[in-house]
Amino acid sequence: DTEVTQTPKHLVMGMTNKKSLKCEQHMGHRAMYWYKQKAKKPPELMFVYSYEKLSINESVPSRFSPECPNSSLLNLHLHALQPEDSALYLCASSRDSPDTQYFGPGTRLTVL
Amino acid sequence: AQRVTQPEKLLSVFKGAPVELKCNYSYSGSPELFWYVQYSRQRLQLLLRHISRESIKGFTADLNKGETSFHLKKPFAQEEDSAMYYCALRAFGNEKLTFGTGTRLTIIP
Repeated sequence: DTEVTQTPKHLVMGMTNKKSLKCEQHMGHRAMYWYKQKAKKPPELMFVYSYEKLSINESVPSRFSPECPNSSLLNLHLHALQPEDSALYLCASSRDSPDTQYFGPGTRLTVL
Repeated sequence: AQRVTQPEKLLSVFKGAPVELKCNYSYSGSPELFWYVQYSRQRLQLLLRHISRESIKGFTADLNKGETSFHLKKPFAQEEDSAMYYCALRAFGNEKLTFGTGTRLTIIP
């Protein structure tokens, strides 16, 4: 398996909902990343996990909560989001940190 | 602070013509530069990185530290080159990747 997978592909949620995004890789990579990409804008880094420990938090609001249960899995827990949080959320992984990053297809999130 | 500038949002080139996508960066230390490409309905993928000094799909890019540029070039454009191209910078040894705003390249048949 040489890809980063993300589920779900699309997610629609209300501002009071709690949901989670999932990212998985089986390439033995030890660093994983969450990015946010608004329409017609470049990806912006949110979080970096290295060896299952959070190493970078780019001042992301606490309504986004990352979790790395093991080296293959990365979650992003969402709670009390705002409509402006609607975006494409990209996961990436790299063999080590820092190293070349490989991206998943993204989850398109809509907050109503 | 690190910053990447791609001055062209849109670029149209005829098939068979040369292509140059511009990228300038601002960073005081040792940068690592990358080009990522996103074809229609596909994921963002690495095209090339400056330290590899390789040619991928006919594209090359040379890091010019004097001009702080990392322009992407291809001598003869092909229709399958139509895509969104992002230049990205990472400080050497740092985990954070900073992307430029991207250039949408359209190859005219």
